Amino acid sequence: GIQVEQSPPDLILQEGANSTLRCNFSDSVNNLQWFHQNPWGQLINLFYIPSGTKQNGRLSATTVATERYSLLYISSSQTTDSGVYFCAVEPVQGAQKLVFGQGTRLTINP
Amino acid sequence: AAGVIQSPRHLIKEKRETATLKCYPIPRHDTVYWYQQGPGQDPQFLISFYEKMQSDKGSIPDRFSAQQFSDYHSELNMSSLELGDSALYFCASSPLAGGDYNEQFFGPGTRLTVL
Repeated sequence: GIQVEQSPPDLILQEGANSTLRCNFSDSVNNLQWFHQNPWGQLINLFYIPSGTKQNGRLSATTVATERYSLLYISSSQTTDSGVYFCAVEPVQGAQKLVFGQGTRLTINP
Repeated sequence: AAGVIQSPRHLIKEKRETATLKCYPIPRHDTVYWYQQGPGQDPQFLISFYEKMQSDKGSIPDRFSAQQFSDYHSELNMSSLELGDSALYFCASSPLAGGDYNEQFFGPGTRLTVL
């Protein structure tokens, strides 16, 4: 099946710093989503981005489908940005299930 | 905006007991998915339903079964519970399957603890 790899696995930053999270996937996909899992376990939709670039406030994402990777940018980090960021893809082969990467755990210190 | 509703939010069971988790998708979403997230793990796909028919199946144990009802809500039934079933169980829903837009939206999850 498709492999989804996220890097780095852990990231510790000071408040106000910028960061880039990467997601590589091994095969063609129909769909790619970024999620933020907060300390209470909720999976919050950040971006639905099978290709192209999107921005939402301090967050932006870019997916280059032909090269099988996506990037999530977080600028001017706040302590509330802490949590685990997941990339999930919907493979072309098979039904519409999402295959998740193992996540990047982001810690923002005040 | 309406979100995916899951109940109960927390559930504590003994080994070998049964559990039923419920999911109410976003209105007008006809596809429902179930995922299991173990401690420190990423969510793993279990099963999905489109228009009340099973559409895909992942690594779901034979002890688990699920269905989608006429009002599109779904239930995940888990029998002969084991300690390893302790996890966060998510339900997600998405708009019409097969369309260009298929974003999945997740509920808050049911945290199942098996003692």
